Amino acid sequence: SAVISQKPSRDICQRGTSLTIQCQVDSQVTMMFWYRQQPGQSLTLIATANQGSEATYESGFVIDKFPISRPNLTFSTLTVSNMSPEDSSIYLCSVGHSEGDTQYFGPGTRLTVL
Amino acid sequence: GENVEQHPSTLSVQEGDSAVIKCTYSDSASNYFPWYKQELGKGPQLIIDIRSNVGEKKDQRIAVTLNKTAKHFSLHITETQPEDSAVYFCAASRVGFKTIFGAGTRLFVKA
Repeated sequence: SAVISQKPSRDICQRGTSLTIQCQVDSQVTMMFWYRQQPGQSLTLIATANQGSEATYESGFVIDKFPISRPNLTFSTLTVSNMSPEDSSIYLCSVGHSEGDTQYFGPGTRLTVL
Repeated sequence: GENVEQHPSTLSVQEGDSAVIKCTYSDSASNYFPWYKQELGKGPQLIIDIRSNVGEKKDQRIAVTLNKTAKHFSLHITETQPEDSAVYFCAASRVGFKTIFGAGTRLFVKA
């Protein structure tokens, strides 16, 4: 399994600001995914980050709110833009070799928006 | 859309007892079924998975069973220990499609 790190591990932000979350993997992976996990809830896929092309967003998530970068096969960023308290969640990145196959998750970024 | 139902939402057992968590999926084409354990303050950790070509898989105290006809699969933890306390998520998927997660089961193991 891959070793995945995320930065920051947690943050408290003011509404209207933006936060960029980094995800670093110790080996090259084909697929990187970004999930949101609201308190006490399950995992909701935000988007699939593709290297060399634009991210693929799920219904209810848009690029203007959650821009994603994937500059290489070991790194991705997710930005939460113009934050509101409703954006308070855990944001998780995960990696896998193909969509629908084995995924490994990072430790998560715990975001609180005041 | 595709759906995975998970039961129970909360499970409390005495240390040493067994715990069983059940999931039902809707997409009959699903062929990969992972289970994740999420401890407080951590990301989900893959603990066991099963593919549709087998009916059962075991790893020490953890086992997963799959019934393709009924479209349900279960996680069995034997000889539970306090460190098994966590939230467990089941999921169903097939290659090329997004993974669908269950709602989670909060397991409490009482010492």
